[in-house]
Amino acid sequence: GENVEQHPSTLSVQEGDSAVIKCTYSDSASNYFPWYKQELGKRPQLIIDIRSNVGEKKDQRIAVTLNKTAKHFSLHITETQPEDSAVYFCAATTRNSGNTPLVFGKGTRLSVIA
Amino acid sequence: DSGVTQTPKHLITATGQRVTLRCSPRSGDLSVYWYQQSLDQGLQFLIQYYNGEERAKGNILERFSAQQFPDLHSELNLSSLELGDSALYFCASSPRQSSYEQYFGPGTRLTVT
Repeated sequence: GENVEQHPSTLSVQEGDSAVIKCTYSDSASNYFPWYKQELGKRPQLIIDIRSNVGEKKDQRIAVTLNKTAKHFSLHITETQPEDSAVYFCAATTRNSGNTPLVFGKGTRLSVIA
Repeated sequence: DSGVTQTPKHLITATGQRVTLRCSPRSGDLSVYWYQQSLDQGLQFLIQYYNGEERAKGNILERFSAQQFPDLHSELNLSSLELGDSALYFCASSPRQSSYEQYFGPGTRLTVT
């Protein structure tokens, strides 16, 4: 089955700097890669996702890149703000005839230092 | 607010007991997924239902079971509880078989003492 590795496990950046979180996946059939943000004690919230037919997607200060050949994808946050501090999870899944569950990485705890 | 609701928010119970967690998906969503999140751990997929039928199973213990009812709400039953079952339990829903996005509920925090 699918296995998703996520690095780093913790990341501290100065406010205004960029943050990059990287994930690799094992199943070449995976074709959907969402990123979730989870604040302490709260539910995971979908912040951006990418499908395998595109290499990059951007939404304001957040971007995700996908390299299908290397089987890795990354989350880029620019101009970080204190409210970006949270745990970020990457995930991967394969679109079949039915929904398939998400396989999550173990998360990256991002701290933005003011 | 994702539109997914879960009850109760918190649950404290003793080892050996049985509890039921409830999830109501977003209006119109047919799929429900259950995930377990232990302290400092990622999200582990437990089980998925689609329109009342079990669709996929993850690392769900035999002591755990779930079902989805005709009104599409779902219940996760945890029995013979152990200390290690203490965790956040999330459900998520998505609209159709071919839909990618999953929307998470607020979770139920289970504490087994």
